[in-house]
Amino acid sequence: DTGVSQNPRHKITKRGQNVTFRCDPISEHNRLYWYRQTLGQGPEFLTYFQNEAQLEKSRLLSDRFSAERPKGSFSTLEIQRTEQGDSAMYLCASSLGSRDLTTGYTFGSGTRLTVV
Amino acid sequence: AQRVTQPEKLLSVFKGAPVELKCNYSYSGSPELFWYVQYSRQRLQLLLRHISRESIKGFTADLNKGETSFHLKKPFAQEEDSAMYYCALKGGAQKLVFGQGTRLTINP
Repeated sequence: DTGVSQNPRHKITKRGQNVTFRCDPISEHNRLYWYRQTLGQGPEFLTYFQNEAQLEKSRLLSDRFSAERPKGSFSTLEIQRTEQGDSAMYLCASSLGSRDLTTGYTFGSGTRLTVV
Repeated sequence: AQRVTQPEKLLSVFKGAPVELKCNYSYSGSPELFWYVQYSRQRLQLLLRHISRESIKGFTADLNKGETSFHLKKPFAQEEDSAMYYCALKGGAQKLVFGQGTRLTINP
């Protein structure tokens, strides 16, 4: 297991296009998180899954954003009708719920989205 | 509301000098606090957590509930400590709330 994997690493898209990112968590981790990070800011929480259930969504997650984790393994984050304000680094993290406090979250390298 | 404040965006110290990265939080309950670090071209990784009261790479952090602070300290900075440091809080919900981060630069 090589940790949390995110694809693609970089994505450049035109405004108005749809984009989809993928996250493969550590295999035994039941919790999966999506964060967004803009320049000069810390990561901001977007949404969280426990197994396949999406348990919490941030107000930052507008109707244009949707996330899925269909089989409780990998997750996808889709942004429809992208806007320039969506340009950011999108981070995925996973954790083993029973050990959150001891091992913390494991983060992926992120997908950098640029909307032109 | 849960909030984490890191008042210094940039901090520069000389090698061998003491380092203190400040973190203040706002949360009405009993928080769990963490420090994460991101070295150049690497992913965000856990440095330490208050629950274990450990020292990692010479860094320590003490939770002060009276001052709602969780400052990160190291007595003698090393060049390899140069990185971006984020303080994070986990309250009643499962999510981590991060501060803005402090970029620490250790000068030789």
